Amino acid sequence: QVQLVQSGAEVKKPGASVKVSCKASGYSFTSCYMHWVRQAPGQGLEWMGIINPVGGSTTYEQKFQGRVTMTTDTSTSTMYMELRSLTYEDTAVYYCARGLLWLRSEFDYWGQGTPVTVSS
Amino acid sequence: EIVLTQSPGTLSLSPGERATLSCRASQSVPGSYLAWYQKKPGQALRLLIYGASSRATGIPDRFSGSGSGTDFTLTISRLQPADFAVYYCQQYGITPPITFGQGTRLEIK
Repeated sequence: QVQLVQSGAEVKKPGASVKVSCKASGYSFTSCYMHWVRQAPGQGLEWMGIINPVGGSTTYEQKFQGRVTMTTDTSTSTMYMELRSLTYEDTAVYYCARGLLWLRSEFDYWGQGTPVTVSS
Repeated sequence: EIVLTQSPGTLSLSPGERATLSCRASQSVPGSYLAWYQKKPGQALRLLIYGASSRATGIPDRFSGSGSGTDFTLTISRLQPADFAVYYCQQYGITPPITFGQGTRLEIK
C-alpha cells in the first residue's frame, strides 16, 4: 500500500533552517509528483510547492521563493523540504502529498505531518 | 489566485442526518478541478472527492460532490460517527498556486 512517512517533530530558533523528509513506499517513486503543504495553528492549508522526482524540477509558491528548497533522493525514495530563515510565523505542521499530474492534480495520499515549532 | 470560502465554519449535526458543506470560489474553477478532503486528529488527510464529483478509491457512496464554476458542495447523506471531522476543499484548476478553503468542522450535536 502507498505510504508517505515523514520525519519527526522539530524545534528551531528564529533565523534557523529546518529540513523535513518524506519517505515514499508502495508505488513507483518516479511515477508521481510530490507537493508540500503546511498548516499553521488555527489556520487553513497552504500549498508550498511541487517537485518532480525525475530530474528534480520544482515550482514554488511565490511567497516561499528564495527561502524553500525541495529535493529528492531517488535511491531512497525520499523527498526533502528545507525552509530557511525561519520566523515564528513558520510554526506549522508540514505535510507531503502525492499528485499524479503536474500541478493540475488532486492529492491522493498524504504524509502524517511534521510539526515544526519556531521558538526562541 | 483563487480564494476558496467554505461555509459554514462549524456544522453541528446528529448521526443519521444529512450534511451539506459549501465551497465557493472567488472565480470560476476551470474543468471542475476541485477536491474534498477529510482530516481527523492524528490521521493523514484523506481524499474523498476529485473533479468535483468523482469519489476516490474506497470512499463510501454516502459521500457525494457536486457543483461547477464557483459553487461546489460536499454532501454526506447519512452521517456516521466516523464522519465527524474537518473537511477541506481544494482547487487545482488555476495554478500555481493550488489553494484550499479554510475548512468546515463537522461536530456531533
